[in-house]
Amino acid sequence: QQQVKQSPQSLIVQKGGIPIINCAYENTAFDYFPWYQQFPGKGPALLIAIRPDVSEKKEGRFTISFNKSAKQFSLHIMDSQPGDSATYFCAGGATNKLIFGTGTLLAVQP
Amino acid sequence: NAGVMQNPRHLVRRRGQEARLRCSPMKGHSHVYWYRQLPEEGLKFMVYLQKENIIDESGMPKERFSAEFPKEGPSILRIQQVVRGDSAAYFCASSPPEGYYGYTFGSGTRLTVV
Repeated sequence: QQQVKQSPQSLIVQKGGIPIINCAYENTAFDYFPWYQQFPGKGPALLIAIRPDVSEKKEGRFTISFNKSAKQFSLHIMDSQPGDSATYFCAGGATNKLIFGTGTLLAVQP
Repeated sequence: NAGVMQNPRHLVRRRGQEARLRCSPMKGHSHVYWYRQLPEEGLKFMVYLQKENIIDESGMPKERFSAEFPKEGPSILRIQQVVRGDSAAYFCASSPPEGYYGYTFGSGTRLTVV
């Protein structure tokens, strides 16, 4: 009920490609869906977030697509750069806590 | 405007010792959350605190782990009698009263139990 399933576990793309990371959730009480970016040795940093009443949100090169009926959401990174190489976590939020996916290690090759 | 401050950054403890992890929230943030990240895994919620109150400790192991957020000073996550399985990165986040919409994470404390 509380799980957030994230895929793929790892992803390699060429510079300029559009990596897509997918997440699925079960808890219909979730009312907040953030994506976090984490570099080695650092804490997670909020990248972009969406509420369930919106189907898409764009911030710069990052887009969240949200499908409430399917209970799925995804992150798209446009024109990816080597500096985007990091681990990305999706999460679902309810009652002041976040339930995280297991992460996607993204490598953007020059 | 300093972010969430965690210390120490790295902590090595022998089995059976106590570990104390400290977290100072961002200025203006009154809510603190602790998460644990095991190698190759996502972050797992442990506990949610407000000043002098534990709001949700549903993710805390039943034994050896405790957390506090006193009226003055940082939040403390305390692990008694550490075991090798406690080795992980422990992250603290803080938020304003509106809740997790404004989460900011610290850089974490990496605990190694030898």
